[in-house]
Amino acid sequence: QKEVEQDPGPLSVPEGAIVSLNCTYSNSAFQYFMWYRQYSRKGPELLMYTYSSGNKEDGRFTAQVDKSSKYISLFIRDSQPSDSATYLCAMTPFLSNFGNEKLTFGTGTRLTIIP
Amino acid sequence: GAVVSQHPSRVICKSGTSVKIECRSLDFQATTMFWYRQFPKQSLMLMATSNEGSKATYEQGVEKDKFLINHASLTLSTLTVTSAHPEDSSFYICSAFRPGDTQYFGPGTRLTVL
Repeated sequence: QKEVEQDPGPLSVPEGAIVSLNCTYSNSAFQYFMWYRQYSRKGPELLMYTYSSGNKEDGRFTAQVDKSSKYISLFIRDSQPSDSATYLCAMTPFLSNFGNEKLTFGTGTRLTIIP
Repeated sequence: GAVVSQHPSRVICKSGTSVKIECRSLDFQATTMFWYRQFPKQSLMLMATSNEGSKATYEQGVEKDKFLINHASLTLSTLTVTSAHPEDSSFYICSAFRPGDTQYFGPGTRLTVL
């Protein structure tokens, strides 16, 4: 069993719809959860990260973490064609000033927003 | 802020040759840099963790003699794929840790070995 599971999609939704992307994980030590957006043949771009359980909102993006269920979500409101990309979740047990934490990634979900 | 560059963005080489990929943090000093490999439709797999001035730490299954990593300064790390073979063809991505923050990723280097 992979430590982080993510449905690879592809997922296609019409412009303006609310998108829900999800990951599940098995390692209860994970405390920090990230969402990255990756355009084709580019490196991942950090969208947001959260610590422990709860919600975090940034513009049209909302990240949710439910540690009791080992389940995280990213919601995109008012989706735009420019949101079409692969979305990767990642997580780690800790963040330190020494920078030696290892991120464990999901496989990514390929999202297409249809105009 | 937090810009990470990689060079080259794309490289094609013959089997048996060596290829060097550079990773630079442009606007911050990175105590730690990471090297990942990504095969098509798969996630990023960590290859090694590189700390400035010390030897890299390789993940299990990654050959350190094949993938040479040098972290000569706080803004530069290099990955050299020695004696490359077609199975080494992949997308190589580095990231740099900005102290007090998190990792920021480079745009990646696509390596094709003929």
